[in-house]
Amino acid sequence: GDKVKQSPSALSLQEGTNSALRCNFSIAATTVQWFLQNPRGSLINLFYLVPGTKENGRLKSTFNSKESYSTLHIRDAQLEDSGTYFCAAEARWTGGADRLTFGKGTQLIIQP
Amino acid sequence: DMKVTQMPRYLIKRMGENVLLECGQDMSHETMYWYRQDPGLGLQLIYISYDVDSNSEGDIPKGYRVSRKKREHFSLILDSAKTNQTSVYFCASSYQDYAGCSDYTFGSGTRLLVI
Repeated sequence: GDKVKQSPSALSLQEGTNSALRCNFSIAATTVQWFLQNPRGSLINLFYLVPGTKENGRLKSTFNSKESYSTLHIRDAQLEDSGTYFCAAEARWTGGADRLTFGKGTQLIIQP
Repeated sequence: DMKVTQMPRYLIKRMGENVLLECGQDMSHETMYWYRQDPGLGLQLIYISYDVDSNSEGDIPKGYRVSRKKREHFSLILDSAKTNQTSVYFCASSYQDYAGCSDYTFGSGTRLLVI
């Protein structure tokens, strides 16, 4: 099965509403990163998390390593928040550096 | 402005041709990566490089090889490209802080079409 499972796979929201995206891990994640892939295809770093919570403007993310999940909350969604959100977990691999494993993404559409 | 630069941005090749994708970073990061992104599959790891001439296979290395002769450059090579290698390829670099945690920076991607 997927080592990093994102839900939902797609989401449509009205402008001004709130949402929560989730990642569940079946690997022993040490850190988590959240990215937004914009319509041009560029990956934009949103958060880099050790266990705990970070906030940046209308975005807030939590990583709970004991329960193996991470969430990304978007408050007061704006049109420019549209895109595909990826979470990626870093886990220890034997014999080498940590590796970043990606989920399949959540496609978010914000409607006016 | 610290960044990862990929060249070219777009590439069309015929089946059987050789392909060279280049990646550079100006942050002196030791570790660099090549990923490919396909619809519905997220990003999949092809190769990791821990430093010059120190490379390791990722999850899907078949059909690819890499070269790292300088810390700031990491190349992905497709010898005899196949149509199923049509994809978007991302390069990334990372560093480990004092706590052993890595932060990643991604390039803008190379869109490869093999016909």
